[in-house]
Amino acid sequence: EAGVTQFPSHSVIEKGQTVTLRCDPISGHDNLYWYRRVMGKEIKFLLHFVKESKQDESGMPNNRFLAERTGGTYSTLKVQPAELEDSGVYFCASSQVVGVQQYFGPGTRLTVT
Amino acid sequence: KQEVTQIPAALSVPEGENLVLNCSFTDSAIYNLQWFRQDPGKGLTSLLLIQSSQREQTSGRLNASLDKSSGRSTLYIAASQPGDSATYLCAVRPYNQGGKLIFGQGTELSVKP
Repeated sequence: EAGVTQFPSHSVIEKGQTVTLRCDPISGHDNLYWYRRVMGKEIKFLLHFVKESKQDESGMPNNRFLAERTGGTYSTLKVQPAELEDSGVYFCASSQVVGVQQYFGPGTRLTVT
Repeated sequence: KQEVTQIPAALSVPEGENLVLNCSFTDSAIYNLQWFRQDPGKGLTSLLLIQSSQREQTSGRLNASLDKSSGRSTLYIAASQPGDSATYLCAVRPYNQGGKLIFGQGTELSVKP
């Protein structure tokens, strides 16, 4: 069974540019989560999808971040325009149902210069 | 507001030692607590998940305990090996906040041969 995959593994962009991160959850997992870790801080929750619906987006930092999960399969997280403080590692996780183990992807390291 | 703290931030031990990693949380209203391992450049691997009604979980050389009333968990690693070197993260799933996990900053463990 394939795990959670994320693309790209690393992205370097300039301030003001746009970046789109992609996450493919484990097949059959309705729940998909985005988290991020910025330098020196703990991993923080961004949002939670149940199928294609946003269940909880309380962790999204501002309106420069847009997450989608059309069709309830893969998800994208777009940052537009990127700022220096957006640099960090963005993790995606999925689970079959809420409350059970979340399986994490390898993360996308975003560097904004 | 739930906060998770892990002590120490870093730990270096010689191979063969038994060791304890600590995790504390400020609000005892949790569904469960998970311990994860993260290797450099990799995603998070779930090690143990303890439900709020449980006191401990064991897997191989790992034993995790949970004292919900005092807001503490420990991860005990027996007979440490160089391959145990990684960052260990503790995360709680709070009540009434959907499926989000709240993480500590982690303990970076180095086991010297």
